[in-house]
Amino acid sequence: EVQMAESGGTWVQPGRSLRLSCEVPGIKASEYYMDWVRQAPGKGMEWVGRSRDKANGYITDYAASVRGRFIISRDDSQNSIYLHLSNLKTEDTAVYYCATLSDGYWGQGTLVTVS
Amino acid sequence: DIQMTQSPSSLSASVGDRVTITCQASQDIDFSLSWYQHKPGKAPKLLIFDASKLEAGVPSRFSGSGSGAHFTLTISSLQPEDVATYFCHHLDHLPYTFGPGTKVDFK
Repeated sequence: EVQMAESGGTWVQPGRSLRLSCEVPGIKASEYYMDWVRQAPGKGMEWVGRSRDKANGYITDYAASVRGRFIISRDDSQNSIYLHLSNLKTEDTAVYYCATLSDGYWGQGTLVTVS
Repeated sequence: DIQMTQSPSSLSASVGDRVTITCQASQDIDFSLSWYQHKPGKAPKLLIFDASKLEAGVPSRFSGSGSGAHFTLTISSLQPEDVATYFCHHLDHLPYTFGPGTKVDFK
């Protein structure tokens, strides 16, 4: 079973920055499209962004709500993917999940609270 | 963006009941739909992909059907461990979107 583990969620003030990490020990992350998804309190899931696999140049795409503020990066040596959140807003408060949506693997999420 | 709707938003049923959840997309997504089961504090679990294909290891009481814009998830005989929120997800093109979820519990 593929395991994905997010970390880095915490409380942060509006306007500040944060980096979330996702370790993927069960697969070779470079071979997978990797997504970030979030769920605000009482709301449904919202796709945040994606990094294509290494063969496709790790090209990234983002939801309009976060474009220009959030950046996805990778570290192949750590088999990890990161979500850099900047200029945070109260509406960014959510549980953030890393996932391989094309394959259906998700982590348990990490909570970011902006207030 | 494609809008995904689900009904009902919640339901209560008894052990052994047949449960049906529907998902509708705002445009044709062919068969590009997945269903997930999500329990609090846990990773969402893939149940169905490509609208009707059962993920490996998922009990056969779960089934999916539909194409285009109308989809259904059926639990043929509800079990205690099926208490969870179920949501649909389209993968037709970016941005991906999700249904709001259906919370299933017992009467």
